[in-house]
Amino acid sequence: GAGVSQTPSNKVTEKGKYVELRCDPISGHTALYWYRQSLGQGPEFLIYFQGTGAADDSGLPNDRFFAVRPEGSVSTLKIQRTERGDSAVYLCASSLQGAINTGELFFGEGSRLTVL
Amino acid sequence: TQLLEQSPQFLSIQEGENLTVYCNSSSVFSSLQWYRQEPGEGPVLLVTVVTGGEVKKLKRLTFQFGDARKDSSLHITAAQPGDTGLYLCAGVGGSGYALNFGKGTSLLVTP
Repeated sequence: GAGVSQTPSNKVTEKGKYVELRCDPISGHTALYWYRQSLGQGPEFLIYFQGTGAADDSGLPNDRFFAVRPEGSVSTLKIQRTERGDSAVYLCASSLQGAINTGELFFGEGSRLTVL
Repeated sequence: TQLLEQSPQFLSIQEGENLTVYCNSSSVFSSLQWYRQEPGEGPVLLVTVVTGGEVKKLKRLTFQFGDARKDSSLHITAAQPGDTGLYLCAGVGGSGYALNFGKGTSLLVTP
C-alpha cells in the first residue's frame, strides 16, 4: 500500500516477555518517528530516525526500549522484559522531510500492545 | 521537552455550534501543527503554521499562531458530526528534531 504500515496491529503478551513491533514507512521517506499513545492522551515521542541513524532517542523511557532502522527503510521497535505499564498504542510515522523542515508526518494505524 | 497544553480537554457540542480550542506553551516554537485523530487511526495533519500572527483557513476551520509563537488556536464554525475526533497540536522546538504533541482536545459533535 501507499501508506505507513505497522505490524502487528494487536499484540497481547505476558509480563517479562520480549516484543518486536514493525514499521514500514512510505517509500522514499527518510524521516521515521516512533510514538506511544495511551488512552485519551496525545502521542508521546520516543525516537526519531533520519535515514539509518537515530537522530534523537531522548524519548525512550528506559533501556528496555530499543529501535533500529538498519537499511533506512523498515524500522523495528524492540521492548525487553515488558511491563504492564508498557501497554499502549505504538504509532509510527514517516516524513519526506526531517523535523527541521517540519514536513507532514504520515502515521500508521498503530500497534496496540497489551501486557498482561 | 517543550510542554504543549491544550484546552479544553473534552468538548461536547451540538451540530451548528461554534467552538475554539487552544494550544499554549511557555516555549517558543519555530512552527506548530494541528492534527485530527479518529478512533483506531493515526493522526492526520490539518495545517502547519510558521509565522507569528499567521491565520490559516481550511473550510470551516480557522487556525491562528500567536504573535510570540508560543500558542495557537483552532476555531470551528458551524460544527458538524464529521468534525468529531481528537484534535492535537504539535510543535517543533529549538532542537528541530522531536515533534512533541499536546494531550489533545476530544471533540464530540452530536446531531
